[in-house]
Amino acid sequence: EVRLVQSGTEVKKPGESLKISCQASGYSFSHHYIGWVRQMPGKGLEWMGVFYPGDSDTRYSPSFEGQVTISADKSTNTAYLHWRSLEASDTGIYYCARLHIPYAFDMWGQGTMVTVSS
Amino acid sequence: EIVLTQSPGTLSLSPGERGTLSCRASQPITNNYLAWYQQKPGQAPRLLIYGVANRATGIPGKFSGSGSGTDFTLTINRLEPEDFAVYYCHQYGTSPQTFGPGTKVEIK
Repeated sequence: EVRLVQSGTEVKKPGESLKISCQASGYSFSHHYIGWVRQMPGKGLEWMGVFYPGDSDTRYSPSFEGQVTISADKSTNTAYLHWRSLEASDTGIYYCARLHIPYAFDMWGQGTMVTVSS
Repeated sequence: EIVLTQSPGTLSLSPGERGTLSCRASQPITNNYLAWYQQKPGQAPRLLIYGVANRATGIPGKFSGSGSGTDFTLTINRLEPEDFAVYYCHQYGTSPQTFGPGTKVEIK
């Protein structure tokens, strides 16, 4: 069974760093892109970027490039989304999802709620 | 980047009716890589349709996708209570990939 299990809720202050995770199981982690999607409170889905564990190919949305870093550890089948300095506007739910071409994002994690507040 | 526009923003329908949702792209979608997702409150999105017209595993036949180029449609036949949700289109043929703003299907 393909599963993506994300790390738990985070409450942080502006300026703090954060790394959230997404552990994959049930498929060959190295052979599919994994993506991150933001959903701000009460809003729609925003594509942040994708990472290919096989060769570390990374693509970012212009809206998020330089603001976050997407990475992965093939040894633990885990993808990460990292902020060096959080802002209040980073508050939202972050989903990881497997990009299985041509099947689009066919499997999603349960989401990680991130709240940034002073 | 490719901008996706969805209409209407909200669709008010009664159970048993048919829903027709539109997704328009600012430029042609490469390889017909256009998908539709359903999201219910408090849940992660769920893939319904990929490659414009292909139903994902476990998705019932009342959901169908069509279109080409820049204009795409998701049709939901015989709406049931569990179908009232928000629906998003997503193009994954060109980087950066993008989502539409969503259509909320609500009970009339």
